[in-house]
Amino acid sequence: AQSVTQLDSHVSVSEGTPVLLRCNYSSSYSPSLFWYVQHPNKGLQLLLKYTSAATLVKGINGFEAEFKKSETSFHLTKPSAHMSDAAEYFCVVSYTGGFKTIFGAGTRLFVKA
Amino acid sequence: EAQVTQNPRYLITVTGKKLTVTCSQNMNHEYMSWYRQDPGLGLRQIYYSMNVEVTDKGDVPEGYKVSRKEKRNFPLILESPSPNQTSLYFCASSHQLTSIGTGELFFGEGSRLTVL
Repeated sequence: AQSVTQLDSHVSVSEGTPVLLRCNYSSSYSPSLFWYVQHPNKGLQLLLKYTSAATLVKGINGFEAEFKKSETSFHLTKPSAHMSDAAEYFCVVSYTGGFKTIFGAGTRLFVKA
Repeated sequence: EAQVTQNPRYLITVTGKKLTVTCSQNMNHEYMSWYRQDPGLGLRQIYYSMNVEVTDKGDVPEGYKVSRKEKRNFPLILESPSPNQTSLYFCASSHQLTSIGTGELFFGEGSRLTVL
């Protein structure tokens, strides 16, 4: 069965320090992988997506993620956190041959001044 | 402006009283989907639709119905709501159906439903 695991429910960083949000997936098929961000009381917005092109994917607001097939991981990183990055982040998988989407449980990012 | 519109945004109702949450998109997307968001569980897919008159169950379809009579609309129907359906609901649509699944999902602002 397909699944997505976000390894941290909460991550806290100081402003200006790197961000790492971890995501692992299980898959019997070739997946499309996404990261979405949700700010308080808002809908979700796409940060970036992987669809079998380059394994290092660049997204909006300085975020990027690397697809590692051998580790079945798709971790999200940013070199320097900003206060406006405080939000909840979701790793999402969509699978070949079907159109279900599976969300991770989410990681809430806190950014300290 | 490209958008996904849900109504109502907030609703308090009582057990057993049928309700419908509407979802409309103006982007001519073929794919539409409903999710519920609960603390610690992320978003779980309720139903999705790949085109007009084509719908399929997601992971948590029990207690819900959908219909897709027009491309732009995808209402979510709770025939007999129960307290365990208290949740935050999101509708989403996608402009791309490919051999590797959906493209980017565009989300509505959410509908917060409370069933007493």
